[in-house]
Formats: sequence, C-alpha cells, structure tokens
Amino acid sequence: GAVVSQHPSRVICKSGTSVKIECRSLDFQATTMFWYRQFPKQSLMLMATSNEGSKATYEQGVEKDKFLINHASLTLSTLTVTSAHPEDSSFYICSATRTAYGYTFGSGTRLTVV
Amino acid sequence: AQKVTQAQTEISVVEKEDVTLDCVYETRDTTYYLFWYKQPPSGELVFLIRRNSFDEQNEISGRYSWNFQKSTSSFNFTITASQVVDSAVYFCALSELLSSNTGKLIFGQGTTLQVKP
Repeated sequence: GAVVSQHPSRVICKSGTSVKIECRSLDFQATTMFWYRQFPKQSLMLMATSNEGSKATYEQGVEKDKFLINHASLTLSTLTVTSAHPEDSSFYICSATRTAYGYTFGSGTRLTVV
Repeated sequence: AQKVTQAQTEISVVEKEDVTLDCVYETRDTTYYLFWYKQPPSGELVFLIRRNSFDEQNEISGRYSWNFQKSTSSFNFTITASQVVDSAVYFCALSELLSSNTGKLIFGQGTTLQVKP
C-alpha cells in the first residue's frame, strides 16, 4: 500500500530558529502534497497545497514567508517553519495523493518552540 | 464553499453501547468523496472509509457502519458494541476537487469519543 514517511516525528527548537519537516512518498509518485496544522483539541487545518515543480498554494491566513514549502520532486515535499515562535508550536501533518480520492498521511511532526 | 460539520464535540459511552457520530457536509460539486478517519492519541490518522457521491449504499465493516444520505447531505458513522479501544478523535472529511485527478481534503471539527469500561 501507499506509504508516506514524515520526519522528524518530534522536534524542539529555540525561538527564532528555523525548522524543516520532510514528507516523502515511499512507494508512489505523489501528484500533490498537502500540509496541515493541528492545534491541541482542534481539527486539521489545511495550510497549503503543493504540486511538484510549482509554487505552493497557501490557504487564506497562512503566511507564505513563514511557512516555506518546497516540492522538488514527485516523492518529496518539505515544510520549513522560519523564525519559529512559541505560537508556531503545533502538530504538522502532511498528505500525499495522486488522485482525487486517495490520500496517504504521514505520521505527523510535533513541533515545540521554546 | 466546501464545509464539513461535526456537531458533536465529545461523546462518552459505556462499553458495549452503540454510538453514532454525525457528519453533515456542504459542497457545490456533483462529484466528491467523503471520508472518515480515526485519530488515536499518537496523532496519526487512520483511514476508515471513503465514499464517492454516486454511491449511496450503506456500508458495514465489522462493528462499523456508515449511512450516506445525499438528500440530507449527511454521512454518519455508527460503532456497534463499542470498545475501549474505540476511544479516539474521529474526523469526517470531504474531498474538494482541484482538478480532474486531485482533490483538497477538508476536515470537520472532529468528535472525541470516550468509551468507558
């Protein structure tokens, strides 16, 4: 079955530093990758949609300069949280798809900014 | 705009009780997909079911069953004879088509189910 590896699973960083999260589809080529953010006891909020080789499309209210998304290949997308602050602490989860109905999720990254 | 509403924020039942989680959706698309996911405390999303808009047949998988009614834009999920291991957050989601072959998944607010022994 389709597998998406997300990495790291947990990261603690200091305020002001940048953190990169990787999302890799292991056994299929993902047409599109999505990045979600989930605060405690809340739903998954879509941050951005990225297609290989093109710029990501960000949802309203998501700062594109703060959350840099790179989708360099059909199997890898990265999310970089730049100049992280404590309010960026959250659970980030990626999803990869090649169809309109098959989504494979990574296991998520718990980011804590101290 | 697409929207998914799960009105029940939290549900608490005693083991072996049946429980239904409600999901109501809004979309202008004629072709769409509906999903249910389970999120245990570890955070990973566990896929439970996918339904396309043209298939209104109800589905049963073990203790799980789903009732899809286009007339009321609902896609409800029932767990029969609940177990403690069913305790988790459950999300209903709707795929909004971006193109002919990709869609954006929009989640409901989630329902936290607690099954007590």
